[in-house]
Amino acid sequence: EADIYQTPRYLVIGTGKKITLECSQTMGHDKMYWYQQDPGMELHLIHYSYGVNSTEKGDLSSESTVSRIRTEHFPLTLESARPSHTSQYLCASTRGEANVLTFGAGSRLTVL
Amino acid sequence: AQTVTQSQPEMSVQEAETVTLSCTYDTSENNYYLFWYKQPPSRQMILVIRQEAYKQQNATENRFSVNFQKAAKSFSLKISDSQLGDTAMYFCAFSPGYALNFGKGTSLLVTP
Repeated sequence: EADIYQTPRYLVIGTGKKITLECSQTMGHDKMYWYQQDPGMELHLIHYSYGVNSTEKGDLSSESTVSRIRTEHFPLTLESARPSHTSQYLCASTRGEANVLTFGAGSRLTVL
Repeated sequence: AQTVTQSQPEMSVQEAETVTLSCTYDTSENNYYLFWYKQPPSRQMILVIRQEAYKQQNATENRFSVNFQKAAKSFSLKISDSQLGDTAMYFCAFSPGYALNFGKGTSLLVTP
């Protein structure tokens, strides 16, 4: 099993609510990523981080925000959830240039 | 833009048979990595195989092998002796350096 943990695994919330998806890894990886996986299963990079206090937006524009205060922790926050945010969110991490990503189990978000 | 194309949305193969999943990519980079990831139903994404672009020799991992054609920018995955547990979404991914770009995936069904 990969040592990267995502919580919650499943979440159903109403429009306008603030939510935070948690992601933690115990492998000491410096690089961490958030991918959004749409119902058609395509993956889109929405945020990444090369280390503490480093965050960058990915290729897909997202209304979410991230922070990287500790190496092992990379939470994603939606200030005001909308139905268009309904998706699966995958967290991943790696070390070095080879970019062999280790993925978490995912957080499946449904916004009503 | 650096894109990854998987032209086969769905494939089916009988147990013990061989199947090949196609992937093409577009890049102007000379040094990069290519990957195949597997996402079983409701389970974690895991790495199947990795190929460094500077290596001419095709990577192999047990029943999984690739046919890497750098000039043609082609990176196909061959699964030999298919097993029921190989049923999954398969994603081809390309790494120019900072993150992985994924194709849309191929859904593979292995039938008894």
